[in-house]
Amino acid sequence: QSVLTQPPSVSGAPGQRVTISCTGSSSNIGAKYDVHWYQQLPGTAPKLLIYGNNNRPSGVPDRFSGSKSGTSASLAISGLQAEDEADYYCQSYDTSLSGSRVFGGGTKLTVL
Amino acid sequence: QVQLQESGPGLVKPSETLSLTCTVSGASINSYYWSWIRQPPGKGLEWIGFIYYSGSTNYNPSLKSRVTISVDTSKNQFSLKVKSVTAADAAVYYCAAMDHAEYFQHWGQGTLVTVSS
Repeated sequence: QSVLTQPPSVSGAPGQRVTISCTGSSSNIGAKYDVHWYQQLPGTAPKLLIYGNNNRPSGVPDRFSGSKSGTSASLAISGLQAEDEADYYCQSYDTSLSGSRVFGGGTKLTVL
Repeated sequence: QVQLQESGPGLVKPSETLSLTCTVSGASINSYYWSWIRQPPGKGLEWIGFIYYSGSTNYNPSLKSRVTISVDTSKNQFSLKVKSVTAADAAVYYCAAMDHAEYFQHWGQGTLVTVSS
């Protein structure tokens, strides 16, 4: 069981907007630690998608955005494209686990 | 740009020690924190630990008793050892560069390690 909880799967049609939630607790997201997001295309290594809750690395389209509130965070993908079909992971820091960097269980995005 | 490449045996026997090396190019080993992450087949990501060029380390408490991460600044490499492996240690192992020890900015392509006799 992951410290950060994500829905196992989400889906959407091309052009639609989808959101992926990441729920934590008072020892991680709720303790004001930043949330980061990664995209893992099939058969490839994860790639940093969002850092510091809502910042995009160079080269990441502005269709991807992040937000955080309370003990949860969300990744939004607008204008869904076929190439967005991938696994998405959130990540943060947890104080109850001796400074562990923790990941969510991952969410599989299917583009219908 | 920063590139990372994992290397090491793809097959390890149960109870033995898994050893992997990550070679860094395009950046000095002094520039980031260096981490290992693993992903069992069909499952999610698990952070193993990280090291700074000074040698200071931080490990996942669940693995701390079996894991050692070391750095060789002269070769721009860092390494992972996991002792007393079992089938549960079978995974794709990734090395990664961490920005301010917060997030994983650059990743290697990963290397699959199988545990079997």
